[in-house]
Amino acid sequence: GNSVTQMEGPVTLSEEAFLTINCTYTATGYPSLFWYVQYPGEGLQLLLKATKADDKGSNKGFEATYRKETTSFHLEKGSVQVSDSAVYFCAPLIRTGTASKLTFGTGTRLQVTL
Amino acid sequence: DTEVTQTPKHLVMGMTNKKSLKCEQHMGHRAMYWYKQKAKKPPELMFVYSYEKLSINESVPSRFSPECPNSSLLNLHLHALQPEDSALYLCASSLSATGRGTGELFFGEGSRLTVL
Repeated sequence: GNSVTQMEGPVTLSEEAFLTINCTYTATGYPSLFWYVQYPGEGLQLLLKATKADDKGSNKGFEATYRKETTSFHLEKGSVQVSDSAVYFCAPLIRTGTASKLTFGTGTRLQVTL
Repeated sequence: DTEVTQTPKHLVMGMTNKKSLKCEQHMGHRAMYWYKQKAKKPPELMFVYSYEKLSINESVPSRFSPECPNSSLLNLHLHALQPEDSALYLCASSLSATGRGTGELFFGEGSRLTVL
């Protein structure tokens, strides 16, 4: 079946530290891949996306590369800020016969401290 | 306009009440979604509407009744809910339910529901 495995949190980092949040998925075919972010008390915002193998999505200093060989889409940022504290969700878009379904990973809570 | 607007932001209801959550988008999207999110959990898909027709129902109890009056509006009617239904209800829209384009979903801020 289709599933997504995401790195367990919480992750606590000091400001300017390097961030990696791992995400792997199982799916038939090649789904589009997304990272969404949820700030406290808010809905979900699209952070970045990649639609085919070797695509790199990037936004606000975050990057993730679609790795077909390892079915992974790890999120990275070179230097985190306190304002990056949020929950990050990896989500492949699985296309079925009738509709596409966005399936979320468990979420990784990031806490950045001064 | 790239917004999905949900009302109300907060709702408290008793188990015998009938209430509705509303969602609106004006991006010309033809797919709309309801997700349920419990605290510290990922969102779970409830319903998908494609071109105003119900496309996916993820075995949601009948006390939740979705409605899509037109391509811009999506409602979720609530009746005889249980305390365990308390959650954040998120509405989303996308260009197409079949993945046309990049398939990304745009989410609203959510309606936080408390059932007493």
